[in-house]
Formats: sequence, structure tokens, C-alpha cells
Amino acid sequence: SYVLTQPPSVSVAPGKTARITCGGNNIGSKSVHWYQQKPGQAPVLVIYYDSDRPSGIPERFSGSNSGNTATLTISRVEAGDEADYYCQVWDSSSDHGVFGGGTKLTVL
Amino acid sequence: EVQLVQSGAEVKKPGESLKISCKGSGYSFTSYWIGWVRQMPGKGLEWMGIIYPGDSDTRYSPSFQGQVTISADKSISTAYLQWSSLKASDTAMYYCARLERQPAPVDYWGQGTLVTVSS
Repeated sequence: SYVLTQPPSVSVAPGKTARITCGGNNIGSKSVHWYQQKPGQAPVLVIYYDSDRPSGIPERFSGSNSGNTATLTISRVEAGDEADYYCQVWDSSSDHGVFGGGTKLTVL
Repeated sequence: EVQLVQSGAEVKKPGESLKISCKGSGYSFTSYWIGWVRQMPGKGLEWMGIIYPGDSDTRYSPSFQGQVTISADKSISTAYLQWSSLKASDTAMYYCARLERQPAPVDYWGQGTLVTVSS
């Protein structure tokens, strides 16, 4: 089964740039989606198909995907960005979705 | 407005059966997949499986195959997740989620159903 690896935590000061990685074997050949989950809430899609942004998501959120690593980048981080972030792909070999373990973003 | 409304929280004993629901509205229920996602207390998201209500095509993640049953009743725009014999380790929040197709993203989520299994 396909495995996605995320760092458990990332810390960043307000106004700085946060980068959250998602590692997987040849992940660059897959479509990666990113979700934000705040405590007590359902996840929210923030980036889809590697780098597209849903309506209502600030331009500060961006994504990239190449080789064995996909990256979610949050520019000019705000306190309200503090949340858990999950990457997700489809494992076509076994035909099911896969989530990364999640990364807790802390705004210092 | 697209909505996925899940049934309420449940408290069950080990060995009991359970069926939770997810009702879709504001869109063509038979044209989108519905997935189920588990989140154990303090843990991450886990993909359980998906169903296409249009023809009941169902796919299970390997970890959940044989452990749960996913179904749908398109006449009432509702998807279900059921257990025949609950275990304490089934204690978790369960989310239903809508997606257009694989490998599309989940674009709408239900509010979650908390299942607590305790003797």
C-alpha cells in the first residue's frame, strides 16, 4: 500500500513562510490534495491537483509536487493558519485514497 | 447549497451493531462518490472506502475490508457505514465526504459522527 510521510510538526513565526512536505515514492506522478483541519472541525480543502486553490482559499496558500516530495507552502503566516494539515493521493494500484499522517502547524 | 448531514453521536457496547448515515442534498447524489474517513482520538485521517450511489460500486481500503460495510440508498440520497460487531478500537470520529471521481479531491465533508464503544 502506498505510504505518505509528513513531518509531525512545523513551527513558524507570524509573517514568515511555512513549508509542509509530503513524501511518497514517485509522488510527482500522482495528484496531491491538501486539507486543513482545525480542532473540533471537519477538514477543509486548501490545495487540489498539486497546486490549484479552491475559491475562498487565500493566495498565501500554494502547492508544488515533483519527484518524491509534494510541498504545501503558506506565505505570510497568520495565527489563524494554526491547524493540522494532511496531504492525500489516490493509490491507483489498490484503488483507494491515502492520507499522510498529518502535520501540526504551530504559529509562534 | 451542497450539504452532507450525518447522523448523531452514538454510544455502544462492544459486540453491538451500528449503522450511521450521511444524507446528501443540494446536488445530484447519484453523480458523485461518497467516501468514509475515520479519525481516532488525537490521530490522523484514515480513508476507509468509497461508494458510487449511482450503481453502488464500492471500494474498500485494505485495512477496512471485511471490518465495515458501506452502502447507499439513492432513493433517499443517503449513504451508510455499518458494523456488525463493534470493538473498543472502533471509537472514533467518522466523516463522510463527497468527491467527483478518483483522483479528485474531497470537496465537501459531513460534520462528523462520533462513535464511542465502551463497556
